[in-house]
Order: sequence, then structure tokens, then C-alpha cells
Amino acid sequence: EDQVTQSPEALRLQEGESSSLNCSYTVSGLRGLFWYRQDPGKGPEFLFTLYSAGEEKEKERLKATLTKKESFLHITAPKPEDSATYLCAAQGGGSNYKLTFGKGTLLTVNP
Amino acid sequence: DAGVIQSPRHEVTEMGQEVTLRCKPISGHNSLFWYRQTMMRGLELLIYFNNNVPIDDSGMPEDRFSAKMPNASFSTLKIQPSEPRDSAVYFCASSPGLGEKLFFGSGTQLSVL
Repeated sequence: EDQVTQSPEALRLQEGESSSLNCSYTVSGLRGLFWYRQDPGKGPEFLFTLYSAGEEKEKERLKATLTKKESFLHITAPKPEDSATYLCAAQGGGSNYKLTFGKGTLLTVNP
Repeated sequence: DAGVIQSPRHEVTEMGQEVTLRCKPISGHNSLFWYRQTMMRGLELLIYFNNNVPIDDSGMPEDRFSAKMPNASFSTLKIQPSEPRDSAVYFCASSPGLGEKLFFGSGTQLSVL
């Protein structure tokens, strides 16, 4: 069974204090590793897709990286508006396109 | 583009009643997914469709749950009879095709008393 584990569950940072979120996954033949952001009362919003180990993608203060077992979301010099829950999801290979989500990391950035 | 549209936004019902959640995917998207989110279990996939055909419903909790997609622009998730443990936020998402990124609706907050 596909499994995705995110850590920490919650992270509190001061504005400008860089850090990383972790996503460990176990899937059969990874097709893609997805990162989403979720604000309170809203649906998840897509950030990145990573397809192979060593791949990196960046968007503003966020950078996502991928290894064969983990993905990291690095947040550089965060701002209060980066506060949200960050969700990681893995999609296995074969004929099943099911996307398995982790429980997320609640990030709070204090001014 | 209006995005994925879900209705109602909130639903409060009593145990034993029938509940119907509705979803309009983004025009042109071929795949549609129903997820349920709770604090304890996070986001769980219930069922997904491709070209209006159900592909995997292994996440549907039990026979009380059913989903349909009669055409490319509409899907329903029905719970009959509802139980308090069904209380959760239900999300619908669509994608241009299988394996592509999902676009989520704003969800339906369901409370079963």
C-alpha cells in the first residue's frame, strides 16, 4: 500500500528564518511527487510536480527537491503570507493513477 | 475560468438522512476525483473517474456511499443513510488527464448530527 509521511506536523518560524519540510514516500514505481498548499477553508492549490530523483523546482521563496525516498520543500526567508498547510502527495506507476496524500505540515510564519 | 465548483459549501443534516454533494469540473478536464478530509486521516481518495467512467472506487467506505458522473460537466457523491462519522470536508478535483496536476474545489463541509 502506498504511504506518504510528512514531518514535522507543525512548524513555527520567524519571518526570514529559513527551514525545510520533509515528505517520505513509499510507492510502487513513482510516477510523480506533488506539493500543494492549502489555506484555511480552501481546497489544496498546486505548487510543484517532481518526476525523478535529483530534480528540483523553484517558485519564489519555495524550492522542492526529490530523492528516491524523500522530497523536501525548502522555504527561504519566509514571509507571513507563506503561512499555510503544505501537503505532499505521491502517485505510483502502472495503471493506477491514485494520488496518496500525506497529512501535511502546518507552517506558521510570525512577523 | 471559474475553477471547480462544488455545492453546497456547508451541509448540516441528521443521522439517517440522504446527502448529495455536487461538483462541476473545469471545462475540458477529463478526470474527476472525490476526496474526503479529516484531521485524523487527512485527505483520502474516495473515487475517481476518467472520461465519465469510474476507474477506482476502492476508497469508498461502504455501500452507503455512491458516486456518479452522468456527463463531462457534472458529478455527484451521495451518502444514504448518513452517519455522524461521515462528518468531514469533501473535495472534488479535476485534471486535464490522468497523471496531471489536480485542481481542487473549495469543498463541502458536511456535519451529520
